[in-house]
Amino acid sequence: GAGVSQTPSNKVTEKGKYVELRCDPISGHTALYWYRQSLGQGPEFLIYFQGTGAADDSGLPNDRFFAVRPEGSVSTLKIQRTERGDSAVYLCASSSYPASGGGNEQFFGPGTRLTVL
Amino acid sequence: AQSVTQLGSHVSVSEGALVLLRCNYSSSVPPYLFWYVQYPNQGLQLLLKYTSAATLVKGINGFEAEFKKSETSFHLTKPSAHMSDAAEYFCAVRHTGTASKLTFGTGTRLQVTL
Repeated sequence: GAGVSQTPSNKVTEKGKYVELRCDPISGHTALYWYRQSLGQGPEFLIYFQGTGAADDSGLPNDRFFAVRPEGSVSTLKIQRTERGDSAVYLCASSSYPASGGGNEQFFGPGTRLTVL
Repeated sequence: AQSVTQLGSHVSVSEGALVLLRCNYSSSVPPYLFWYVQYPNQGLQLLLKYTSAATLVKGINGFEAEFKKSETSFHLTKPSAHMSDAAEYFCAVRHTGTASKLTFGTGTRLQVTL
């Protein structure tokens, strides 16, 4: 079956603009995660959805960042008033729920490379 | 809070040589540990995971890792490196609670030379 897909693959925007990044999880996966990976770093957690609700948004850096998952499938990460420091690869992952043996695998998409000029 | 530390941001080995990528964890409770691989311009792919069932975990592509509680380590090994193993490798710990977030290390870039 299809894996996690993310669109666009690349996004270039200007400082101060608004951007939306989309994630299509694996069909049937109820858990969805967003991570941000800066150059030379490991992915950093942003937000986790269980179904339609955000179960943990402790990783969102500030109120310019917001994410939704209105129907419990596709999710959109929204960034307002973008700053150059927002430039990174934004990764989406999904997993089945509940965890099987505590180690349910998160399946990652290829990411969206965001560049803020 | 759980965390992982990867020692060595770059590791270079010859083709056919042993691969050893180091990961140490910090956790107040028994952790769930993972190794992911990332090829250029691709998403992360799970290599293997430790979920307390067995201390020696075998993964894909000939990789394995051993959980050592006394050393708080979960090092990744492969007996014989192949050119196709060149990639970025990330160790990660999963926080307690069902289906919760991963905390990743900073990654180790593996270079394989002829």
